[in-house]
Formats: sequence, structure tokens, C-alpha cells
Amino acid sequence: QGQLVQAGVDVKKPGASVKVSCVASGYNLKDFPISWVRQAPGQGLEWMGWIIVYNGNTNYAQKFQGRVTMTTDTITNTAYMELGSLRFDDTAVYYCARQRHDYSNNYYFDSWGQGTLVTVSS
Amino acid sequence: SYELTQPPSVSVSPGQTASITCSGDKLGISYVSWYQQKPGQSPVMVIYQDTSRPSGIRERFSGSTSGNTATLTISGTQTMDEADYYCQAWDISNVSIIFGGGTRLTVL
Repeated sequence: QGQLVQAGVDVKKPGASVKVSCVASGYNLKDFPISWVRQAPGQGLEWMGWIIVYNGNTNYAQKFQGRVTMTTDTITNTAYMELGSLRFDDTAVYYCARQRHDYSNNYYFDSWGQGTLVTVSS
Repeated sequence: SYELTQPPSVSVSPGQTASITCSGDKLGISYVSWYQQKPGQSPVMVIYQDTSRPSGIRERFSGSTSGNTATLTISGTQTMDEADYYCQAWDISNVSIIFGGGTRLTVL
């Protein structure tokens, strides 16, 4: 089955960047794309984009284009999401999720990391 | 932009059936998945591909679709089912994944 493991907490100042990690355990990271989803305090889920691990291709949500970079390290089985030019409203829990894709219009997430709380504070 | 609309809250008595809807203009051409999220926890997929249930998810969870509306049904609802539920689909026009706003299920 496998699972995704994330670090707990990070605090950054406005204007800085944050790099969140996600380690795949029990399966090869290359086998499935990874999506990143965030959740602001008391709010819903917001998809940020995905990375196809075996070729490095990315697809970022329009809202985050120019500010987000998703990468992977297949030696350590780790995915990364870097968000720059942080603002106060980027305070959120950032989740990595293993993405499945069957047929042309069927995308879903069958495994989620426990999330990393990123707080943007001056 | 394309949106998925869910009721903010649904209440149900223990043992009764809860239905949570998700509507969107393009749902007829995209499969829907559902996620359960309890306070302080990560989301867990309870339905994928409109009607399929992952292994380990209780049989009382089921999914259905009709036109542009998807429905998550929880039969014989238990207090442990209290959670936020999110629908999710694929937006082919914007090449993006979208979530509904979430529904808080209260069992009382």
C-alpha cells in the first residue's frame, strides 16, 4: 500500500519561501504522480498542482503558477513543494497526496500525508 | 471558473441515512471522488470513480450520480461518521483538479 510522511510544522516570514517535503514509504515514488493540496485554517481543500515523478512533468493550478515549484528526489523517494513570495494568507496545512488516474477523466487521491502546517508570520 | 457546490452542513440521527450532494455543470463528463476528514486528520478517500469503495471503507458508504449531481450516501449513520466530506472532480477545461467546498456532517 505505502504511505506518505511529512514533517510537522514550519514558520516563515512574509516574502520568504518554504519548501515542504513528503517521503514515500513502502512504495516507489516513481510509480504514481504526487499532488499537493492545501487547507487554510477552517477552510476547505485547495488543489495546487501535480508532478509526474518518472518524467518530472508538472501541472500547476493557475492560481499558483509562477510561485510554486514541485520537484522530486527519486533516490530518497521524496517529493518537494516550494512556495515563494509567501503572504499571510498562505498560512495553511499543506498535504501531499498520491494521485491515481484511470481513464481520461478520472483522477483521485488514494493516500495522503499527515500534512505540514506552514505559518506565515512577521 | 468551474465550481462544485455542496451544502455547508447536513444533520442526521444515529442509524438514519445521510445524503450529501455535490453539483457542478461538468460532472456528467468527469468521475467524482469523495473524502472524509475528521478534525485534525488528513482526508481519507471513501468513494472513487463515482461509485467504487476502496478496501477498508465500510459498506454503509456508497456513491451515485445523476446528471450533474453526485451523491454520497451513508446508511445507518454512526457517531464515528461525524466529519467534513469533500467531493472532487476533474476540470478538463482548465486541466485542473477541483474540490467542493465541503459538507460538515453532524450525527445527533
